[in-house]
Amino acid sequence: QSVLTQPPSASGTPGQRVTISCSGGSPNIGSNSVNWYQQLPGAAPKLLISNNNQRPSGVPDRFSGSKSGTSASLAISGLQSEDEANYYCATWDDSLNGPVFGGGTKLTVL
Amino acid sequence: QVQLQESGPGLVKPSETLSLTCIVSDYSISSGHYWGWIRQAPGKGLEWIANIYYRGNTYYNPSLKSRVTISVDTSKNQFSLQVSSVTAADTAVYYCARRTWLQNGWFDPWGQGTLVTVSP
Repeated sequence: QSVLTQPPSASGTPGQRVTISCSGGSPNIGSNSVNWYQQLPGAAPKLLISNNNQRPSGVPDRFSGSKSGTSASLAISGLQSEDEANYYCATWDDSLNGPVFGGGTKLTVL
Repeated sequence: QVQLQESGPGLVKPSETLSLTCIVSDYSISSGHYWGWIRQAPGKGLEWIANIYYRGNTYYNPSLKSRVTISVDTSKNQFSLQVSSVTAADTAVYYCARRTWLQNGWFDPWGQGTLVTVSP
């Protein structure tokens, strides 16, 4: 059981906009910034969004992050087939005194 | 561009100790940052195991703390993980990663991961 709750799956057609939610609580998302990781099939996770809404160099601006209260969201616009992957939210948890991850959302491009 | 590479045995027997090393290239561990281990059981999500600062300060997931040791060797530019008394539940892909800073930081980059299977 993950500290952060994500929907197990999401889907969309090419060109669509999809959002993935991440729900937590006061000790984690409510108090700390959120990061998002993309894990392509058979690959290691890769940082997608840091500090709630910052895109590292090389990440397309189709990806955006936001946070409000104890929840965060990842939005992908102009969906492409290569976006098919697992997406994980992550943050610091003040109770655990360490980083925590969501259970992951498998994105399917129909 | 910093690169990380995990190494270690792919098969460990139950009750034995799992030992992994992460070799860091094109970046000196002594330059700063934190370094961490994360694992992913087959078909499951990500689980943080431990972090270490280049000066040797250690931080552990409370659920694993009694069995885990993380260490750093700045002379070899690498850091290591040991998990004792392993069971089948420790079967996972183990990733090493650099963490920008401790609390509001992130893991980037990651190593490619190494699969460790616990089996007789």
